[in-house]
Amino acid sequence: KNQVEQSPQSLIILEGKNCTLQCNYTVSPFSNLRWYKQDTGRGPVSLTIMTFSENTKSNGRYTATLDADTKQSSLHITASQLSDSASYICVVRDYGNNRLAFGKGNQVVVIP
Amino acid sequence: NAGVTQTPKFQVLKTGQSMTLQCAQDMNHNSMYWYRQDPGMGLRLIYYSASEGTTDKGEVPNGYNVSRLNKREFSLRLESAAPSQTSVYFCASSEERSGVHWETQYFGPGTRLLVL
Repeated sequence: KNQVEQSPQSLIILEGKNCTLQCNYTVSPFSNLRWYKQDTGRGPVSLTIMTFSENTKSNGRYTATLDADTKQSSLHITASQLSDSASYICVVRDYGNNRLAFGKGNQVVVIP
Repeated sequence: NAGVTQTPKFQVLKTGQSMTLQCAQDMNHNSMYWYRQDPGMGLRLIYYSASEGTTDKGEVPNGYNVSRLNKREFSLRLESAAPSQTSVYFCASSEERSGVHWETQYFGPGTRLLVL
């Protein structure tokens, strides 16, 4: 079973609207949780990183939240732009073996 | 500063052919990684190199070999390609240090491989 589950698998939103992506994980203990953005045909790029003691982290119009008790994270995109069309990947680092567990990604399409 | 570069960008192979995917980074990072990404699946680690001179298996190492040529370069070799190895391959690097778990992995642009 995948240790990192993301939902929704894909969504289409209108330019200017907000959206929220979900990440549930079972990795325990974990050292950090990171959100990556992957544009089509490109490699992933880190957006935010949070440790277990952090609840929220922002990067421009991207805001990530973390609830370590329920093992849930979300990525909120505010006032979406066409350039936000991408896959957003949730990645959790396992503190025990220092390995990364990758989610399958949330595919976001922003339409004008 | 090019970051992580990969060659080639695209490749088509016939079953049984061999090839080497090249990766180089100019950030002076200690650690380098090879991943594959398939539709509907998350990135999966093939091999990694924590430092120059060391390599270790990841989640899906079968059918692959790697060489950490020097601190900058980390190559991935398919000795006898199979259709199941059709995928997009990403190389990444990071500044891993013992006991530090903050590091960011920087990814290359990927190599798209089709095995017929």
